[in-house]
Amino acid sequence: EAQVTQNPRYLITVTGKKLTVTCSQNMNHEYMSWYRQDPGLGLRQIYYSMNVEVTDKGDVPEGYKVSRKEKRNFPLILESPSPNQTSLYFCASSPVGLNQPQHFGDGTRLSIL
Amino acid sequence: QQQVKQSPQSLIVQKGGISIINCAYENTAFDYFPWYQQFPGKGPALLIAIRPDVSEKKEGRFTISFNKSAKQFSLHIMDSQPGDSATYFCAARLAGSARQLTFGSGTQLTVLP
Repeated sequence: EAQVTQNPRYLITVTGKKLTVTCSQNMNHEYMSWYRQDPGLGLRQIYYSMNVEVTDKGDVPEGYKVSRKEKRNFPLILESPSPNQTSLYFCASSPVGLNQPQHFGDGTRLSIL
Repeated sequence: QQQVKQSPQSLIVQKGGISIINCAYENTAFDYFPWYQQFPGKGPALLIAIRPDVSEKKEGRFTISFNKSAKQFSLHIMDSQPGDSATYFCAARLAGSARQLTFGSGTQLTVLP
């Protein structure tokens, strides 16, 4: 089954404790992206990647890191999480090309205390 | 700065009624306008999309109307059903941009039985 898998689905942690949210896709997509979803703000892009070793900032990259060492994986790293990063996070992937639909994971709800 | 403005924030419709969600944009360089549907606990999924050279696109009970001169587009759900209850996001893609989509703030639709 074609899917984007995020782990963990839920995480409660404390300020300053480094964490990683993993994202893996099995569709051989070149493009991958991370979004955060907050009430009234919709989905805002954090980082995206056009292919292996190619990453770039989205609209709200501060406090986040990403890496793309393999085509299928695109982890999101919070080196020193803060309460304002409490949010619902989505990973998405798509082929590179005109108007290709993005496939989203089911989300990771992070609470930073 | 929100480049795609979506309204209303929430919408309650009786079963069988018409649901209408509106979006407006400023940047005339957007060249692709999809709508995504999101159920609780799931990631968004592409519902229907339109390009600016077309004024209307219909897929089953779902129709996008596009007004290029007004820089507005809307989603119409005919004969709304309780199963349509979800959050709907409009989005827009900047022509030639590798960053893919800019999302609206979302509309929570509730269809009463």
